[in-house]
Amino acid sequence: GESVGLHLPTLSVQEGDNSIINCAYSNSASDYFIWYKQESGKGPQFIIDIRSNMDKRQGQRVTVLLNKTVKHLSLQIAATQPGDSAVYFCAENNNQGGKLIFGQGTELSVKP
Amino acid sequence: ETGVTQSPTHLIKTRGQQVTLRCSSQSGHNTVSWYQQALGQGPQFIFQYYREEENGRGNFPPRFSGLQFPNYSSELNVNALELDDSALYLCASSLKRQETQYFGPGTRLLVL
Repeated sequence: GESVGLHLPTLSVQEGDNSIINCAYSNSASDYFIWYKQESGKGPQFIIDIRSNMDKRQGQRVTVLLNKTVKHLSLQIAATQPGDSAVYFCAENNNQGGKLIFGQGTELSVKP
Repeated sequence: ETGVTQSPTHLIKTRGQQVTLRCSSQSGHNTVSWYQQALGQGPQFIFQYYREEENGRGNFPPRFSGLQFPNYSSELNVNALELDDSALYLCASSLKRQETQYFGPGTRLLVL
């Protein structure tokens, strides 16, 4: 069935290090991918997105990489800060009525 | 610019009751999507509304219904509440049906 999954449920990094969060998707028809950050007690916050005609997109301290050959998505966070601690979700849009399919999430913990 | 707002923030109901949750979309956004997020899981798509019409539905029973109003605000109604309906209900708005979805803070529903 359709699914977006994450390889690691938890990730612990030292402040200042780079973080990499991975995600696998199963639907080859998906053409739009988004990363969200969710802090405790809050709704998901948009971080960065990428369309299937690109393989890399950069934002402020974040980079998303898309490998359509192996259906893999990653989020790289440079110089990770304590404020980056949260659960990160990848989501895909496969053009089925605006439906976003979310993975289970990866909890990022940043140690000072 | 006002972001997505939801009300109430928390709600406690008993099994069999009915509940209505409300969402105001971000300024200029004409599309609203609803998601259910169980504890420790990623959000699950319930349905999307565009120009007051349902534009896609996830795997939820008919007792989950919705409305969108001319000002693009929306309601989610759940009848005959079950214990498993306890979750965080998220509303997201977007400029168009296939564009980036921005989430509100959610309504935490507890069914006893």
